[in-house]
Amino acid sequence: AQSVTQPDIHITVSEGASLELRCNYSYGATPYLFWYVQSPGQGLQLLLKYFSGDTLVQGIKGFEAEFKRSQSSFNLRKPSVHWSDAAEYFCAVGAYNQGGKLIFGQGTELSVKP
Amino acid sequence: EAGVTQSPTHLIKTRGQQATLRCSPISGHTSVYWYQQALGLGLQFLLWYDEGEERNRGNFPPRFSGRQFPNYSSELNVNALELEDSALYLCASSQESGSYNEQFFGPGTRLTVL
Repeated sequence: AQSVTQPDIHITVSEGASLELRCNYSYGATPYLFWYVQSPGQGLQLLLKYFSGDTLVQGIKGFEAEFKRSQSSFNLRKPSVHWSDAAEYFCAVGAYNQGGKLIFGQGTELSVKP
Repeated sequence: EAGVTQSPTHLIKTRGQQATLRCSPISGHTSVYWYQQALGLGLQFLLWYDEGEERNRGNFPPRFSGRQFPNYSSELNVNALELEDSALYLCASSQESGSYNEQFFGPGTRLTVL
């Protein structure tokens, strides 16, 4: 069965430091991969997506992610974190035969120290 | 362009009652998806509507139901409410059907069952 794992439940980084959030997926075919961000009490905002082609994808707010098929990973990165990046981040996988369903990881909560 | 809208923002019900949640997709989007975000359970897929038809449902009991109207807006109904139905219910829409397409999320309806 398809699954998404975000190994880190909570991460704290200092403002200005670099960030990497991990995401591993389990899926038989080529997945469609997404990263969403959720601020407290809010809905989900799409940061970036990978469908095919270049394995390094750029998103909004200075985020990027790299698809590594050999490692079944789609890690999210940002070179310099801002205090406003504090939120919860979700990795998700979609597919043609998944009946509209996005499968989400459990989320990683990011705290930013001043 | 207006995003996905949901109403009400908050809903408080007692056990056994019925709840109705509403969603208006982005203009031009024909697919609507419902997700439940309960504490400790993550984001779980509930239902997918496309062109007025239910296309897929997640692993939820039949008391979770809904419909999609000719204008593509959607309703989620939860009958015989139980305490564990307390959650944030998120609606998403996409321009084309299927989970390999970008899903844009609304702010959610917070349902509290007392």
